[in-house]
Amino acid sequence: GDSVTQMEGPVTLSEEAFLTINCTYTATGYPSLFWYVQYPGEGLQLLLKATKADDKGSNKGFEATYRKETTSFHLEKGSVQVSDSAVYFCAKWGGGADGLTFGKGTHLIIQP
Amino acid sequence: EAGVTQFPSHSVIEKGQTVTLRCDPISGHDNLYWYRRVMGKEIKFLLHFVKESKQDESGMPNNRFLAERTGGTYSTLKVQPAELEDSGVYFCASSSFGGGLEQYFGPGTRLTVT
Repeated sequence: GDSVTQMEGPVTLSEEAFLTINCTYTATGYPSLFWYVQYPGEGLQLLLKATKADDKGSNKGFEATYRKETTSFHLEKGSVQVSDSAVYFCAKWGGGADGLTFGKGTHLIIQP
Repeated sequence: EAGVTQFPSHSVIEKGQTVTLRCDPISGHDNLYWYRRVMGKEIKFLLHFVKESKQDESGMPNNRFLAERTGGTYSTLKVQPAELEDSGVYFCASSSFGGGLEQYFGPGTRLTVT
């Protein structure tokens, strides 16, 4: 069936480092793609989204580009901060009454 | 505006007991979703309501799980009888548009079955 695959981590980086979290998906058709973030003790928050090929979602310095040819939606940030420490989930939605399909989540730890 | 709320935040029950989880969506959101994350695995979709109607419950694990949304407001998810493999975090989400765009998630209920 359709799935979302992302690096699981934990990923540990120093403050101001460059971040990439890879995400690939399988799907029939062209799903909408999302990155959600879960900070400690909180619920999932939508970080960014893209609804069609070549769209770039961006928010809080994070970016991800919908790549149809490689079925990918990698998350990037040029300079991470300690406050970015959280679990990041890649997800897709294929339409209709279905809910979101999530990856396993990537635990990101930023050290000062 | 209040976000999605879930109650309780944590529940510990014994195998064979019954537990009821509650979700209050954002006011005015017709779409309500339940998801579950079992330790070490993906967050899995369980079911979707539009107002009080179930749209898709293909993700419900088995008939020990019963979800309701009477009156199209809050929703409950009952597990009866609970089994060890039901342990995990149960998330609720709501949205004002049809489908997956802009789903707002609650903090989750952590269920532990011993």
